[in-house]
Amino acid sequence: NAGVMQNPRHLVRRRGQEARLRCSPMKGHSHVYWYRQLPEEGLKFMVYLQKENIIDESGMPKERFSAEFPKEGPSILRIQQVVRGDSAAYFCASSNRGGDTEAFFGQGTRLTVV
Amino acid sequence: AQSVAQPEDQVNVAEGNPLTVKCTYSVSGNPYLFWYVQYPNRGLQFLLKYITGDNLVKGSYGFEAEFNKSQTSFHLKKPSALVSDSALYFCAVRVPMDSNYQLIWGAGTKLIIKP
Repeated sequence: NAGVMQNPRHLVRRRGQEARLRCSPMKGHSHVYWYRQLPEEGLKFMVYLQKENIIDESGMPKERFSAEFPKEGPSILRIQQVVRGDSAAYFCASSNRGGDTEAFFGQGTRLTVV
Repeated sequence: AQSVAQPEDQVNVAEGNPLTVKCTYSVSGNPYLFWYVQYPNRGLQFLLKYITGDNLVKGSYGFEAEFNKSQTSFHLKKPSALVSDSALYFCAVRVPMDSNYQLIWGAGTKLIIKP
């Protein structure tokens, strides 16, 4: 059973471009969480999704950021018109249900905006 | 190999008693150390971190953690547990990797506080 897979591992974008980060949860997992880690900071929660639904997006910036978890395929975190401040590591985690189950983390995508 | 260990899958504590959730690490260099908590139906939340300085760091919700370099440990503590502290707790270590860094995570410890 493969773990949580994130791709790409490294992504370089110029200011103003779009960044798409993909997360394939563990097999059988229908809950996905996205986190951002800025340099020198801990992880910050962004959004919690179940299949086709956004459950909690309280940590998501109001503009330029969106997330989806379609019925088929990976979860996508999309950042439009990237700026230098978006440079960070983005982590995805999945679990097989909400509540107190263990969440498994991917290795992260490092986004660099130049 | 670099690793983070949370030796207890589950910790049970009576409300009002002190609690400790253990974390030890095996990494090279001087790591940054973190604790996170996951409440039911919520994403991970950052609790506290150690980078440098005082070995005792204080974080959210009354939690604190003590960095012990000789024992390579970073145990999470709270003087008086609340039922609402029941959650899943993760220890993490950030270490340099090439020109960036890597997060290494513990497996998590389920904390159950009984009334």
